[in-house]
Amino acid sequence: NAGVTQTPKFRILKIGQSMTLQCTQDMNHNYMYWYRQDPGMGLKLIYYSVGAGITDKGEVPNGYNVSRSTTEDFPLRLELAAPSQTSVYFCASRRRRGDSPLHFGNGTRLTVT
Amino acid sequence: SQKIEQNSEALNIQEGKTATLTCNYTNYSPAYLQWYRQDPGRGPVFLLLIRENEKEKRKERLKVTFDTTLKQSLFHITASQPADSATYLCALDVEDTNAGKSTFGDGTTLTVKP
Repeated sequence: NAGVTQTPKFRILKIGQSMTLQCTQDMNHNYMYWYRQDPGMGLKLIYYSVGAGITDKGEVPNGYNVSRSTTEDFPLRLELAAPSQTSVYFCASRRRRGDSPLHFGNGTRLTVT
Repeated sequence: SQKIEQNSEALNIQEGKTATLTCNYTNYSPAYLQWYRQDPGRGPVFLLLIRENEKEKRKERLKVTFDTTLKQSLFHITASQPADSATYLCALDVEDTNAGKSTFGDGTTLTVKP
């Protein structure tokens, strides 16, 4: 039972490059989320999805895009990478809103130089 | 503005003692409050969830309290062990229409010394 899988684990980008962070879950969860975590800080919500075909912005969506074509996959796209996007990115899913726990992947550590 | 504050960035205690971590919030009315453990280089792992109408929840050596009047949750680890050393995050869920969004505190790093 893999849970939430994120790839790649590490990536270095040059300013202005683009990339897609992959996230897949095998628990048939409808709710999926992308968070970023800066050093010594908590998690900030970037985008979320409540089901296939439905996405919405979180707290810090600028510079990112998402899509949700299937229940399993929720990729995060970075266009025109900037140093401010250097962070650790976590994908999470949950069975339902509210009283069910979040299941996290182990993150993608991204450096933009 | 809405804010979640966890007590001091770092907490150091001796093995065998009880660790108490605090999560205070302002301008929220959370329906649920969760606690997660995060180890270096890993994603957060769920520990406990408590509902707004529950005062206390226990799981093995862990205990969470939730005081909606004080706007505070306390997280206790009894008989602490060096293996309990990690960063602990609290997260709030507000009952809303459909998003299921959780808002996280910045975390408290616990070090348990042998």
